[in-house]
Amino acid sequence: KAGVTQTPRYLIKTRGQQVTLSCSPISGHRSVSWYQQTPGQGLQFLFEYFSETQRNKGNFPGRFSGRQFSNSRSEMNVSTLELGDSALYLCASSLWDRGLHEQFFGPGTRLTVL
Amino acid sequence: DQQVKQNSPSLSVQEGRISILNCDYTNSMFDYFLWYKKYPAEGPTFLISISSIKDKNEDGRFTVFLNKSAKHLSLHIVPSQPGDSAVYFCAAHLNAGNMLTFGGGTRLMVKP
Repeated sequence: KAGVTQTPRYLIKTRGQQVTLSCSPISGHRSVSWYQQTPGQGLQFLFEYFSETQRNKGNFPGRFSGRQFSNSRSEMNVSTLELGDSALYLCASSLWDRGLHEQFFGPGTRLTVL
Repeated sequence: DQQVKQNSPSLSVQEGRISILNCDYTNSMFDYFLWYKKYPAEGPTFLISISSIKDKNEDGRFTVFLNKSAKHLSLHIVPSQPGDSAVYFCAAHLNAGNMLTFGGGTRLMVKP
């Protein structure tokens, strides 16, 4: 079974631009979560989607948004990029609806904001 | 406030010996705990988990212990191998919203 895939793997943007990252979960997984990893803040929860609905959101500004499609694929968008948005963005999928709590992560998208 | 803490930023052990990684948490609503292994610039790899209603779970060389009264969990790796060298994160799960809260990580170095 294929794992979680994320595209692109690397991205370089300048301040003020916007970016869209994509995530394809493991087949059959309907819950998709997004996390941000930075050296200073560690791994932090951004938001979680299940059946196209955002169920939970972490403590991030409104510039960070996401969505989930009917095939469970998810995208996250960051608008008006700031230097501090440079990070590894990780997507994870799980079978939460079957009582299984393990989240499986993709390789991440490395975003650099110049 | 940090709800999940890994107080040791690094740990060095000899190959073949036991590695013990520790994690403390504060929120009694966490229902599941997980350990992940991570290499730089890669996503975390799931290792082992434990439900809050259990106190021990084993999977091969990996054992996780949970002490609910102390709000403490630990990961034991026996025997340790050089390939185990990585950063290990503990994570606590909240069923509401399917959210993981991560500790800061412990860098494990296993010396041959």
